[in-house]
Amino acid sequence: AQSVTQLGSHVSVSEGALVLLRCNYSSSVPPYLFWYVQYPNQGLQLLLKYTTGATLVKGINGFEAEFKKSETSFHLTKPSAHMSDAAEYFCAVSGSGGYNKLIFGAGTRLAVHP
Amino acid sequence: DADVTQTPRNRITKTGKRIMLECSQTKGHDRMYWYRQDPGLGLRLIYYSFDVKDINKGEISDGYSVSRQAQAKFSLSLESAIPNQTALYFCATSDLQGVAVGGNTGELFFGEGSRLTVL
Repeated sequence: AQSVTQLGSHVSVSEGALVLLRCNYSSSVPPYLFWYVQYPNQGLQLLLKYTTGATLVKGINGFEAEFKKSETSFHLTKPSAHMSDAAEYFCAVSGSGGYNKLIFGAGTRLAVHP
Repeated sequence: DADVTQTPRNRITKTGKRIMLECSQTKGHDRMYWYRQDPGLGLRLIYYSFDVKDINKGEISDGYSVSRQAQAKFSLSLESAIPNQTALYFCATSDLQGVAVGGNTGELFFGEGSRLTVL
């Protein structure tokens, strides 16, 4: 079975500072990993995903994540936070069986202050 | 117009009432899902459907039922609502892009959510 742990339910950074949101996963098969973002009063939208190949994945809005198999991690980073990055971020791992059953983490709420 | 539309967006009801949340999509996807979001718990899968004749239970299906009326429509029902079903509900769709053994590479497209309060 797959599972996802997001370290830190709330993260606060200053505008212009580095954003680091942590995600660790457990999977009995090679995982496919995702980061989704949820802006206030909206549904989730895909930021980026790792399937195979290059372990450093670039997404929208300047975000990127690196798949580290040895650490079972898929942390999300952005070099310089913007006020518009304030949102909730969810890490997810694909379920087994070849279907689109994503297992989500509990989420990390990012606050960006001036 | 949104590709995945949920109605109603907000609903307050009483314990014991029957509630239906509806989802329609214009993306032409075969696969549809209902998730529930609770603070601190992330999203949990209630039911999913891979085509009109295929319905599957997710991890928290007790107390819920679904109907796939057409490729584009997937509704979620609470036959007798209870307070711990108060949550934000999301419908999502996906296509068959990149399905592979042991996982998937497809993207989920979410509606804007239906906030349900059961008193």
